[in-house]
Amino acid sequence: EDKVVQSPLSLVVHEGDTVTLNCSYEVTNFRSLLWYKQEKKAPTFLFMLTSSGIEKKSGRLSSILDKKELFSILNITATQTGDSAIYLCAVPNNNDMRFGAGTRLTVKP
Amino acid sequence: DGGITQSPKYLFRKEGQNVTLSCEQNLNHDAMYWYRQDPGQGLRLIYYSQIVNDFQKGDIAEGYSVSREKKESFPLTVTSAQKNPTAFYLCASSAGLDIAKNIQYFGAGTRLSVL
Repeated sequence: EDKVVQSPLSLVVHEGDTVTLNCSYEVTNFRSLLWYKQEKKAPTFLFMLTSSGIEKKSGRLSSILDKKELFSILNITATQTGDSAIYLCAVPNNNDMRFGAGTRLTVKP
Repeated sequence: DGGITQSPKYLFRKEGQNVTLSCEQNLNHDAMYWYRQDPGQGLRLIYYSQIVNDFQKGDIAEGYSVSREKKESFPLTVTSAQKNPTAFYLCASSAGLDIAKNIQYFGAGTRLSVL
């Protein structure tokens, strides 16, 4: 059965810390992996990854995909309280989108 | 402003009642989706539509129905057959039909509770 597993489920850090969020997947016909940030209600898009080993970067956030080991990581450096959110990983499969359960990140001042 | 509007933000359903959640987009997107989000679980696809007057079931379509009479609108009805409807419902849309290549944009959600 197709699945997407995120770890950890919950993480509490202090401002300035660096965090690494993990997403492993088992999906037939893999073509891409997406990361979303869900602060209060609507998830907002962060990254779409299709190729192994190519880092995508946006400010303090970066992400990379390993298609051989079937996982992706999302790194956040110099965390701020505004980074507190649920981070969702999703992998499309045919016409379905498989989401992980998310990692709830709390950044304390 | 361009975006996806879901209404209402909060909705209460009585036993045996059907309720309809609204989703409107002005992004001129072809594809629209409905997801259900439960605590500790990922989003699960209920229905999706790639074109007007056509829609497909997702993983958990039982107890739900949809329509796509207009490109910009994709309402979801939670019927009395859905025995556990309490959840956060998210609507999304994307410009293209290939789910692996087109980013989905989400509305702010509707939280449905059972009285």
